Amino acid sequence: AQTVTQSQPEMSVQEAETVTLSCTYDTSENNYYLFWYKQPPSRQMILVIRQEAYKQQNATENRFSVNFQKAAKSFSLKISDSQLGDTAMYFCACYPYNTDKLIFGTGTRLQVFP
Amino acid sequence: DTGVSQDPRHKITKRGQNVTFRCDPISEHNRLYWYRQTLGQGPEFLTYFQNEAQLEKSRLLSDRFSAERPKGSFSTLEIQRTEQGDSAMYLCASSLKSLNTEAFFGQGTRLTVV
Repeated sequence: AQTVTQSQPEMSVQEAETVTLSCTYDTSENNYYLFWYKQPPSRQMILVIRQEAYKQQNATENRFSVNFQKAAKSFSLKISDSQLGDTAMYFCACYPYNTDKLIFGTGTRLQVFP
Repeated sequence: DTGVSQDPRHKITKRGQNVTFRCDPISEHNRLYWYRQTLGQGPEFLTYFQNEAQLEKSRLLSDRFSAERPKGSFSTLEIQRTEQGDSAMYLCASSLKSLNTEAFFGQGTRLTVV
């Protein structure tokens, strides 16, 4: 079975601080993509960042970066200089090539405080 | 084209009634996915289409559920004889061919079965 685990149901961080959200996954595939999606309250899910498993270099998108540890099957998201607009549910997801679909974790609710 | 749109946004129905949801994907996207999201959980895959062909259905999709994508454009998801356990957010996503390109999500249809 292919699974994604997010062990932090809720996190909070003060504005301008840094926070890291954890994610582990399990897949038997060698070829897969990993994603972090953000779901603000009552709004649609949007892609935050994407990592290709065959790339060793960690992906970065502005204030968002990942720590991809392939051997440990770990894929954490670091948000630097947190902003109030970062408040949302964050979902880690895996896309093994052979499944043709995203497999999501249960999500982490992030609250950014002023 | 402003993105993936879903209609209705909210639906309250009595147990035993049939409901139908609609998803309009981004126009050039040939892949269309349906997911179900219950409270405190991540989205769970239901089914997906490539153009008009339904390529996979999850075991979660009982025979009361049916999805179509006529002419490879919009899609409908119908639930017959609704049950309280069907209460959830139903998400639609579209992408180009596969999810290693970005999947764009709609805002979802929240179904409440009373």
